[in-house]
Amino acid sequence: QQQVKQSPQSLIVQKGGISIINCAYENTAFDYFPWYQQFPGKGPALLIAIRPDVSEKKEGRFTISFNKSAKQFSLHIMDSQPGDSATYFCAASKMGETSGSRLTFGEGTQLTVNP
Amino acid sequence: NAGVTQTPKFQVLKTGQSMTLQCAQDMNHEYMSWYRQDPGMGLRLIHYSVGAGITDQGEVPNGYNVSRSTTEDFPLRLLSAAPSQTSVYFCASTRGGRGYEQYFGPGTRLTVT
Repeated sequence: QQQVKQSPQSLIVQKGGISIINCAYENTAFDYFPWYQQFPGKGPALLIAIRPDVSEKKEGRFTISFNKSAKQFSLHIMDSQPGDSATYFCAASKMGETSGSRLTFGEGTQLTVNP
Repeated sequence: NAGVTQTPKFQVLKTGQSMTLQCAQDMNHEYMSWYRQDPGMGLRLIHYSVGAGITDQGEVPNGYNVSRSTTEDFPLRLLSAAPSQTSVYFCASTRGGRGYEQYFGPGTRLTVT
């Protein structure tokens, strides 16, 4: 059973457009929600993360929106660039001392930004 | 710092063979984890460790063993390889606690025939 569900599976956006990827979670004990970016042949790398005490976090062109009551969070990439073409994973972890080592990932979204 | 290193990069095994995937980190991180990545399933946690001598099972531990004798190293052992273990394996480390960034290695692509 997938505890974090991610959509869409793939996304094609024109350069300069907005890319939006959505995630929904089931476990209300989750309290840390990172997004990871993965380029082909590489390991995932942390892009941006949010805790449920805020509804939005912005870093440059990347924004996480968080809706605690709906148990949903999303990644918005403004002014999308061809260099943003990658696979994006949302993730979540539970409260507790060991949570930093136990991430539950969504299925991933392959983003293609056309020039 | 080299960060998280994994060897080998690629491996082909026959069904029933055993092998060890190596993982090392030079950031003095307390926590280390192994994930497998399969198409359409994201990354799934196999085993994790919160310090030398302490390991625990993740979501998909069957067929894998781990041990952590030092802070730096966290090898993953496949006891008797099966085609279902064909996957890309990632090792990750983090400073520990809640919400610290996990640093991933470059991965090992394993094919079991």
